[in-house]
Amino acid sequence: DAKTTQPNSMESNEEEPVHLPCNHSTISGTDYIHWYRQLPSQGPEYVIHGLTSNVNNRMASLAIAEDRKSSTLILHRATLRDAAVYYCIGNTDKLIFGTGTRLQVFP
Amino acid sequence: IAGITQAPTSQILAAGRRMTLRCTQDMRHNAMYWYRQDLGLGLRLIHYSNTAGTTGKGEVPDGYSVSRANTDDFPLTLASAVPSQTSVYFCARKGPFIYTFGSGTRLTVV
Repeated sequence: DAKTTQPNSMESNEEEPVHLPCNHSTISGTDYIHWYRQLPSQGPEYVIHGLTSNVNNRMASLAIAEDRKSSTLILHRATLRDAAVYYCIGNTDKLIFGTGTRLQVFP
Repeated sequence: IAGITQAPTSQILAAGRRMTLRCTQDMRHNAMYWYRQDLGLGLRLIHYSNTAGTTGKGEVPDGYSVSRANTDDFPLTLASAVPSQTSVYFCARKGPFIYTFGSGTRLTVV
């Protein structure tokens, strides 16, 4: 399982883009990069995942570095409902969570 | 909406008592997991099961046991609860690439 490093916290204003970084320098060639988020008092929920190519879905975009040692989760227009702890996880077999990044969104 | 059902939602338990947290899925996916989350911290994997009839230890298995008699149910048992097991417990299942989590059981051991 890859060790991931994320900033403890980030802030954003509503309607602005947010770039959440993650370093996973020990990731293996076959491990997927997963992003989950946890809203207050809820279980984690899936955001996005990818292997090598950049990925987009209705929630976010995932930009993966060419060497796969880092990735960035992009929220294109932050809303108050995006305030959560975001977890970057690098493995395929099972999810091992780190401490994540707590995102605060201000009106 | 398909998902994970956990019960109870919350429980206050006397130390030394036995407790089973229930987890049921409705999609018949093979892999299921139990996590605990202490206040202000990330989730830690307790036990997992890749398929019915098999289980494995996660990061913090001590004091907990699991069983997987069938595909849908994955109960977590605390044989003799201690205050350090006060936590929120999340069950999850793995579909194709995506993990789905339950709403959690908030357990307080006093």
